[in-house]
Amino acid sequence: EVQLVQSGAEVKKPGESLRISCKGSGYSFTSYWISWVRQMPGKGLEWMGRIDPSDSYTNYSPSFQGHVTISADKSISTAYLQWSSLKASDTAMYYCARGGALRRFDYWGQGTLVTVSS
Amino acid sequence: DIQMTQSPSSLSASVGDRVTITCRASQSISSYLNWYQQKPGKAPKLLIYAASSLQSGVPSRFSGSGSGTDFTLTISSLQPEDFATYYCQQSYSTPRITFGQGTRLEIK
Repeated sequence: EVQLVQSGAEVKKPGESLRISCKGSGYSFTSYWISWVRQMPGKGLEWMGRIDPSDSYTNYSPSFQGHVTISADKSISTAYLQWSSLKASDTAMYYCARGGALRRFDYWGQGTLVTVSS
Repeated sequence: DIQMTQSPSSLSASVGDRVTITCRASQSISSYLNWYQQKPGKAPKLLIYAASSLQSGVPSRFSGSGSGTDFTLTISSLQPEDFATYYCQQSYSTPRITFGQGTRLEIK
């Protein structure tokens, strides 16, 4: 069974750093891109960027380029999303999703809620 | 970036109704259009990919159509579990993937 399991909810202060994770199982982790999607409270879905776990090649949405870093460790089938300096506006639910054939997001993680508040 | 516009933004319907949600792209995206369902507090779920292909395990009352710039998601007979928010997503302009703003389907 294909699964993407994300790390738990985080509460941080502005200016702090954070890395959240997404562990894949039940499939060949290096054969599919992993994307990250943001959903701010009460809002829609925004694609942030993606990584090819086989070689760690990344693409970012211009809206997120420079604000977050996507990485992966294929040895443990895990992708990461990290911030070096969080802002209150980073408060959101973050989902990882597998990029399947025909460029569809066929499996999703359960989401990680990030709350940034002083 | 390619803009995706859904209509309506919200919709009230009854169990058993036939419902159609539309999605328009700001430029042609061929058939690179996917539909997702999201229930409160849950991750999105893929319903339709490549504009008209039903994802495995999704009930056949869901269908998709369209190509180019205009697409539709149809639910032939609404069931109680179908009340949710629906999003379209273009994958033509990879990696600059974009979603529609969502359509909230509520019980009348």
